[in-house]
Amino acid sequence: KAGVTQTPRYLIKTRGQQVTLSCSPISGHRSVSWYQQTPGQGLQFLFEYFSETQRNKGNFPGRFSGRQFSNSRSEMNVSTLELGDSALYLCASSLTYPNTEAFFGQGTRLTVV
Amino acid sequence: DAKTTQPPSMDCAEGRAANLPCNHSTISGNEYVYWYRQIHSQGPQYIIHGLKNNETNEMASLIITEDRKSSTLILPHATLRDTAVYYCIVVFTGANSKLTFGKGITLSVRP
Repeated sequence: KAGVTQTPRYLIKTRGQQVTLSCSPISGHRSVSWYQQTPGQGLQFLFEYFSETQRNKGNFPGRFSGRQFSNSRSEMNVSTLELGDSALYLCASSLTYPNTEAFFGQGTRLTVV
Repeated sequence: DAKTTQPPSMDCAEGRAANLPCNHSTISGNEYVYWYRQIHSQGPQYIIHGLKNNETNEMASLIITEDRKSSTLILPHATLRDTAVYYCIVVFTGANSKLTFGKGITLSVRP
């Protein structure tokens, strides 16, 4: 079966803009988590959604938000982009909550210029 | 979540067993040990997890010491494709739990 699909794979945005990233989980998976990966900070947890509800949130500013739809697909949004938001954004899905035995997508590489 | 300590890097010869150590001396009784790996330019991949018993699957074996303060991930016959960053994570799998990735250990498999 298909893995976790993230779109787009690559994105270039300008400071101050906003961006929406999309994640389609593995069929049947109901939990989706998002992570940010940078060379300096490594992999950091952003948030987790299960049954359309945010269940857990990492230590990121309110500019980072997300949502989950009834089909378990998820989007994350970053508003007022800063240069430091340049990163690989990874989505992971799992059958249930919490998302500890997770299947990760290839990620979206966001570059803010 | 309890913190883990891993050496920054190690290498092994192709075809030999790779034994990746992890210290988690402050682990609580209800916290599991998870291992993930990340091959360059890919998302992390779940490998295995355990509570206190040794575990084995098609990818690897996980050996947890009796006092649970350390563990070893064993790749029985390492291949070049196993070159990756390996993360040892300790997590309580209850409400509000999450995977907290450290720096991991970079395994280089040499021909």
